[in-house]
Amino acid sequence: DTGVSQDPRHKITKRGQNVTFRCDPISEHNRLYWYRQTLGQGPEFLTYFQNEAQLEKSRLLSDRFSAERPKGSFSTLEIQRTEQGDSAMYLCASSLDGGAEQYFGPGTRLTVT
Amino acid sequence: AQSVTQLDSQVPVFEEAPVELRCNYSSSVSVYLFWYVQYPNQGLQLLLKYLSGSTLVKGINGFEAEFNKSQTSFHLRKPSVHISDTAEYFCATQGSSASKIIFGSGTRLSIRP
Repeated sequence: DTGVSQDPRHKITKRGQNVTFRCDPISEHNRLYWYRQTLGQGPEFLTYFQNEAQLEKSRLLSDRFSAERPKGSFSTLEIQRTEQGDSAMYLCASSLDGGAEQYFGPGTRLTVT
Repeated sequence: AQSVTQLDSQVPVFEEAPVELRCNYSSSVSVYLFWYVQYPNQGLQLLLKYLSGSTLVKGINGFEAEFNKSQTSFHLRKPSVHISDTAEYFCATQGSSASKIIFGSGTRLSIRP
């Protein structure tokens, strides 16, 4: 068990560019979650998947954000036309189907200049 | 709707002193409760969780928390802190459907030698 991994760990981009992050969950976990954490705040829920199905999306997830989990394994989070307000740590977590405990990855820190 | 309030944004304590980090939750349904720790430049790590049963929950690193339904609280305690406990601590709640986690805004614990 290698835990939840995220790539890249850091991303600096210019405003208006598109970025994509990847999350690899713990292999037997069916559920995968994305959260966003801004400086000085707790993580905020963005969306989650049960296998390949996206079951819930937060209103924080604007039209510029899209997440996929095509084969029920890894997931990608894409942000189009990035804005400075998108600067944050993007966290991924996974859990067993119906299990309460979520295991978090190290996060991807996005800086939009 | 579920919510979590962490009453203190920062708590400074001396090394080897006891500490209590306060957390109150709001929910009209049964919930799960958690404390997570985030060390500088690291991801979230689960300290302890309350799902049901005994209201006193023991976690890692000598931390414990008590679920108090009448006061809707889930305060975190440690009898004697160490420099290595310096971190951000997040109280969190999750509905019994085990989907998204709702985090508090965090309490920064700083340990003075």
